[in-house]
Amino acid sequence: AQSVTQLDSQVPVFEEAPVELRCNYSSSVSVYLFWYVQYPNQGLQLLLKYLSGSTLVESINGFEAEFNKSQTSFHLRKPSVHISDTAEYFCAVADRGSTLGRLYFGRGTQLTVWP
Amino acid sequence: DGGITQSPKYLFRKEGQNVTLSCEQNLNHDAMYWYRQDPGQGLRLIYYSQIVNDFQKGDIAEGYSVSREKKESFPLTVTSAQKNPTAFYLCASSINWQGTNEQYFGPGTRLTVT
Repeated sequence: AQSVTQLDSQVPVFEEAPVELRCNYSSSVSVYLFWYVQYPNQGLQLLLKYLSGSTLVESINGFEAEFNKSQTSFHLRKPSVHISDTAEYFCAVADRGSTLGRLYFGRGTQLTVWP
Repeated sequence: DGGITQSPKYLFRKEGQNVTLSCEQNLNHDAMYWYRQDPGQGLRLIYYSQIVNDFQKGDIAEGYSVSREKKESFPLTVTSAQKNPTAFYLCASSINWQGTNEQYFGPGTRLTVT
């Protein structure tokens, strides 16, 4: 079974400050990696994903995440946050080659951006 | 507009009653999933279905049941055997079972049992 650890349950920052949301995973096989975002009382939306190739992946709204195989990490970063980025962020992994197609989620990090 | 609908958004039940949560998708996706979300717990997988007429238990299936008689529908029944049913329930779907595929989520149903 997979394990995903999001090291911070809450991250408060001021608007225009940089932010990093940390995610580590443990797995005996290679994985695909995802970040999802959830706005209050809504479902989750995919923010970005790493499947293969370049270890740095970007989203359309300025977030980026880097896959670090040696540290089994996939931290999410943004150089300058906006109030509208306030949401809960979930890191998730899926096994490469699995016939189950399921995701394993971390417990989430609540990002709160203050004016 | 393609997407996943869950109804109702809020649901209230008395303890001891079974309740069925609806999940419908018009994305023509083969795979569908039910998650439970509790504060600070992330998402926990209840059941998933890779194809119509087939489904598997997830990590916390006890006290829940599902059916997948149609490709577009994957209803979840919370039975009276579920000891702590109050939670936010999310349904999701993906094109197929392969792990590379994005899961698309519905807006969720918040169930309160008193």
